[in-house]
Order: sequence, then structure tokens, then C-alpha cells
Amino acid sequence: AQSVTQLGSHVSVSEGALVLLRCNYSSSVPPYLFWYVQYPNQGLQLLLKYTSAATLVKGINGFEAEFKKSETSFHLTKPSAHMSDAAEYFCAVSEGGGKLIFGQGTELSVKP
Amino acid sequence: DTGVSQDPRHKITKRGQNVTFRCDPISEHNRLYWYRQTLGQGPEFLTYFQNEAQLEKSRLLSDRFSAERPKGSFSTLEIQRTEQGDSAMYLCASSLVDIRTGYGYTFGSGTRLTVV
Repeated sequence: AQSVTQLGSHVSVSEGALVLLRCNYSSSVPPYLFWYVQYPNQGLQLLLKYTSAATLVKGINGFEAEFKKSETSFHLTKPSAHMSDAAEYFCAVSEGGGKLIFGQGTELSVKP
Repeated sequence: DTGVSQDPRHKITKRGQNVTFRCDPISEHNRLYWYRQTLGQGPEFLTYFQNEAQLEKSRLLSDRFSAERPKGSFSTLEIQRTEQGDSAMYLCASSLVDIRTGYGYTFGSGTRLTVV
């Protein structure tokens, strides 16, 4: 079965600093990989997705992620954090049939 | 049609009561999914439909849970004899099956259920 591990349940950065949220997956087939953001009491908004095209994927709000097959990783980065980036971030892998398997989430705090 | 709609946004119910949630997907999407999210956790898959056919159910979906999508459009999720452990956010998502785009999921804002 496919699974996702997000390293670090909470990450804190200063405004303007680099954001790095880690995600490792396991899959026996080429995966589809996703990053979602969730604000309090809201649904999930898609940041970006990997669908076996370019390994460096650019998303909304300045986020990007790089698919590294050898490391089974799909880490999310943003060069400069903004206060509005504070939220919960979820990495997910698509299993056969299209359902998503989510990681436990990483809460990002941004300090002024 | 701007997104996935869920109704109600919040539901407080007494233990033992039945509740029903509704999800209206994006009209051209043929797949509809239900997920449950408890506090501090990632969403967990419950079930999904392709058109009106329910193709998969998670073991999380006990006999007290039932989902329908009668005409391949909106879907309902019913929980019978609610328990406190059912308190969670119930998320609906829809997608268009397209291998090229890797299943473009769109999530609704969720229904938060509190069982007291």
C-alpha cells in the first residue's frame, strides 16, 4: 500500500526566510503527488501536483516542489515566507482509483 | 459552477441521532470522494463514486455510515446512531478522471460534525 510521511508536525520560520516542508512517500508504481494547504476551518486548496512530467513543479503563491525518485521525496519549498503562509500543509499520494493518501500534516508558523 | 459545495458547514447533534450531509460536486466531474478529518490529522479516505456507482469503501466506513450518489450528481453521506467518535470534519472532493492531469481534485469546505 502507498503511504506518505511528513517529517515535522510543526515548522516555524521567520518572515522572509526559506520554507522547507518535507514529504517522503512509498509507492510500488509511479505516483501522482500533491501538496495541499488548509487554513483553519476550511477545506483543502491544491498548491501543486506532480504527474510524471517535469520533476520540478511550480505551484501557486510561490511554492514549488521537486520530485526525487531516488529519495522517494517530494519536498515543498518557498524562497521567502510571508505571514499569510501560516497554515497546515498536507502531502498526498494518489493510489489506484484516484483516491488520495495523505500525510499527517505539517503546521507552518511564520514569525514577524 | 465555481466549486464543490457542502451543506451544512456545521452540525451539532446529540449522540444517537442520525445526520445527513450533502455534497454538490463540480458538474463536469465524474468522480466524487468522501474523506474524514479528525483534529490534528490528515484526511482519511471513506468512499468514492464514479458517476452513480460506489466503487470503493474504506474499512473506516462502518455499517452506520452510508453514502449515495443517486443520479451521478450530488451525493449524501448519512451517519446513523452517531457516536462521539464521529466528531470530525467531513470533506467532499470531486475530480475528472484524466490520466494526463493526474486527477484534478477539488475539495469542498467541509462539514464539521460535533456529537455531544
